[in-house]
Amino acid sequence: DQQVKQNSPSLSVQEGRISILNCDYTNSMFDYFLWYKKYPAEGPTFLISISSIKDKNEDGRFTVFLNKSAKHLSLHIVPSQPGDSAVYFCAASARRSSGDKLTFGTGTRLAVRP
Amino acid sequence: DTAVSQTPKYLVTQMGNDKSIKCEQNLGHDTMYWYKQDSKKFLKIMFSYNNKELIINETVPNRFSPKSPDKAHLNLHINSLELGDSAVYFCASSPRNVAANYGYTFGSGTRLTVV
Repeated sequence: DQQVKQNSPSLSVQEGRISILNCDYTNSMFDYFLWYKKYPAEGPTFLISISSIKDKNEDGRFTVFLNKSAKHLSLHIVPSQPGDSAVYFCAASARRSSGDKLTFGTGTRLAVRP
Repeated sequence: DTAVSQTPKYLVTQMGNDKSIKCEQNLGHDTMYWYKQDSKKFLKIMFSYNNKELIINETVPNRFSPKSPDKAHLNLHINSLELGDSAVYFCASSPRNVAANYGYTFGSGTRLTVV
C-alpha cells in the first residue's frame, strides 16, 4: 500500500529553466510534507517542508505547493542548476497518529542539462 | 564532522550469517531511526527509538533487533541473513517531535549484500 507516490521516475530540464517535481498521497491523516534530495552514495538531505495548514512554502529557489483537495504537492526549483541533479524524495508525516514517522515516495531523478 | 555516521558503508556476507550495523549521531537529537531502501528504491521505516526507548516497530521480522545503548547510538543486529535482506539501510536522527518541521538527518547508508 503505497501512500506516497511519485509517478515520474525521472525528469530532465535545461539549466536556468523551472523544474517541477510532483507527488501524490492517499492518506488524509498526513499533516506535514517534506522534500529530500539525495546524491549517489549519500543519505537523503532535508530540503523543504510544508504544513497542511499552508498551501505554499518558499525557500530561495525552492517552493513547495500543497493542494489538499487533490492530495497533491509539487516542488518547484527556479532557476534549475546542474548541481540540483539528484534524486528527490517526497515524504509525509501524520504526526497526531504516527508521531515522527515519515512515509516516503520512491523518488524522481532530476537531471539538469548545462 | 559527520553528524550521523554509520558503519560499515558496505557489507557483503553469506546467507545464514549474523551481522551488525552501527549508527552514531553527534547532534544531540533525542530520536533515532532505521530505514530500509529496497531494490525498488522504497525508503521504509523499520524502527524508531526516542531516548533509548523503542517507539516505532514496523512489521519487521524478529531476525532484526535494534539496540540503543544511549540516545546517541542505535545499532541494528540481523540474525540468519536472507537474500531478501539485501538493501541499503539508512540510520537517521531528529529532535523530538519536530521531525516533520525540520526533517531527519540521515547517515550515508550501509549497502548490505547477502550472497
